[in-house]
Amino acid sequence: AQKVTQTQTSISVVEKTTVTMDCVYETRDSSYFLFWYKQTASGEIVFLIRQDSYKKENATVGHYSLNFQKPKSSIGLIITATQIEDSAVYFCAMREDSGYNKLTFGKGTVLLVSP
Amino acid sequence: NAGVIQTPRHKVTGKGQEATLWCEPISGHSAVFWYRQTIVQGLEFLTYFRNQAPIDDSGMPKERFSAQMPNQSHSTLKIQSTQPQDSAVYLCASSLTVYEQYFGPGTRLTVL
Repeated sequence: AQKVTQTQTSISVVEKTTVTMDCVYETRDSSYFLFWYKQTASGEIVFLIRQDSYKKENATVGHYSLNFQKPKSSIGLIITATQIEDSAVYFCAMREDSGYNKLTFGKGTVLLVSP
Repeated sequence: NAGVIQTPRHKVTGKGQEATLWCEPISGHSAVFWYRQTIVQGLEFLTYFRNQAPIDDSGMPKERFSAQMPNQSHSTLKIQSTQPQDSAVYLCASSLTVYEQYFGPGTRLTVL
């Protein structure tokens, strides 16, 4: 069965710096998709970025980028030039190609960005 | 462009009562998902519809929980005889493709 693990419970950074959040996953599928979502203080869950397992290039969207290390089953999220409003809980999620479309989530990492 | 709509946003029930949660997916999205979020378990998949047909209910508790999608504009999650352990935020998500899912604001269910 698929599993997603985020070992960092919380991270604190100063704004305008770069932060990396870790995520490792387990799957038996050769094809899968990895996602990062952000949950704000209001509870809203927002899609941020996706990595397809068959792509070697790391995905980048705005100031979010991924560090995809397939041999290590690792998908790190990198946020550059952090802003106060980046403070949120960040979830890593996976969808297996054979698992219909359901997402399996990690437990989340709390990011606090301070001035 | 409205996002996923969930009603009510908060619901309080007494133990043993029934709770019905509503979800209106983004117009044109063919897939609807239900998840549950608790502090202990985190985000858990419950069930999934595609083009209104139930596809995967592997996360649904076997008793008391049921979900339907009678038309393309709404889905319901019904919990019969609610128990305190059912207290959680229930999230609905919809998607147009097999990729990203877009989440609603959730319904916070509190069972007293």
